[in-house]
Amino acid sequence: DTGVSQDPRHKITKRGQNVTFRCDPISEHNRLYWYRQTLGQGPEFLTYFQNEAQLEKSRLLSDRFSAERPKGSFSTLEIQRTEQGDSAMYLCASSPRQGTAGANVLTFGAGSRLTVL
Amino acid sequence: AQKVTQAQTEISVVEKEDVTLDCVYETRDTTYYLFWYKQPPSGELVFLIRRNSFDEQNEISGRYSWNFQKSTSSFNFTITASQVVDSAVYFCALSEFMDTGRRALTFGSGTRLQVQP
Repeated sequence: DTGVSQDPRHKITKRGQNVTFRCDPISEHNRLYWYRQTLGQGPEFLTYFQNEAQLEKSRLLSDRFSAERPKGSFSTLEIQRTEQGDSAMYLCASSPRQGTAGANVLTFGAGSRLTVL
Repeated sequence: AQKVTQAQTEISVVEKEDVTLDCVYETRDTTYYLFWYKQPPSGELVFLIRRNSFDEQNEISGRYSWNFQKSTSSFNFTITASQVVDSAVYFCALSEFMDTGRRALTFGSGTRLQVQP
């Protein structure tokens, strides 16, 4: 397994367009997270999946944002009607199920950088 | 609410110098985990260490060492004999357990370390 993969790595879009990011977690990890990181800041939590269930959403996740993990494997994060303030790095992370080795350690992908013009 | 403060926004050292990155945290939990992650220019967050709140022993791993002091709520990170490859942004993070089974990871704002040859 090569770790957490994210696609695309970079996306430039015009304000008002929709964008979608994909995350492929480590295959044996059942927990998946999305974070957002703006310049000069640490990552901020957006949402959390356990298997296919979305168990938590941050208040940062406005109604223009939607995330799915339909089969409990890969996940997508869609942003509708993008705004310039959405420009950021979107990071995906995964971790194994509770009770297993490394359960509390998140493994991050390289991120998808979004620029909204 | 938990909080992580990394007061040093940027540090510049010359190769082979020792450098300490400071981290101060706030939490009401008695059980928590502390982490350090490294973010090189490529963008991927790389896990360095996890320490749980009941284990105050310092840890050394090669040129890296960590000093956890519960009395001062600090978890500092020292790089001995720094190398150019150590240049990156380093994040301290605090984790608390949520009812959903998620470990909520709160990051500091990061310290950018530049090691000059």
